[in-house]
Amino acid sequence: DIQLTQSPSFLSASVGDRVTITCRASQGISSYLAWYQQKPGKAPKLLIYAASTLQSGVPSRFSGSGSGTEFTLTISSLQPEDFATYYCQQLNSYSTFGGGTKVEIK
Amino acid sequence: QITLKESGPTLVKPTQTLTLTCTFSGFSLSTSGVGVGWIRQPPGKALEWLALIYWDDDKRYSPSLKSRLTITKDTSKNQVVLTMTNMDPVDTATYYCAHSTWIQLWDYWGQGTLVTVSS
Repeated sequence: DIQLTQSPSFLSASVGDRVTITCRASQGISSYLAWYQQKPGKAPKLLIYAASTLQSGVPSRFSGSGSGTEFTLTISSLQPEDFATYYCQQLNSYSTFGGGTKVEIK
Repeated sequence: QITLKESGPTLVKPTQTLTLTCTFSGFSLSTSGVGVGWIRQPPGKALEWLALIYWDDDKRYSPSLKSRLTITKDTSKNQVVLTMTNMDPVDTATYYCAHSTWIQLWDYWGQGTLVTVSS
């Protein structure tokens, strides 16, 4: 199985901050990686797929990069509605999710 | 507009079999490339993919749970059914069904249904 390790697992940030979340795969997955945002009590929402392609309707402050085993999700200027938990997902072999990164208000 | 909704029991006993139904609208599971899958999330924990069925009846299962899972579809009813045998308290989770048009990329999700396993 391909394991995904997200870091940090928790981060505290302020509105307007630039935030970067990392996702590392236990083996190469090319660009078969997606990012989701989940708010409490809600289903996850697809943000980015193919490592760097923004899903329709997602604000441009979200961006993704990487390939192979290391990937990043960046929020260029954190907004109040961005406080949530973020998950990466690999689609290269079956499907697995990372452990999540909770972004909280500083 | 694509919507999905999960239904099934909220409480099951250990060793019982869980049957969940995903009823969807806004797309057809006979359209090439379309899939419907199940993902679960124990309280306070991360997401875990369970199973996926494609428009052509190709089925995929999580390797760690494959022996306990069965996924089927009823295209005429716009439903996908997941059964999980031998339920255990560790299977307590919110179970989501979701739509995919590319591998296992989940672009639309149901609201989820919380299933508790307890005697």
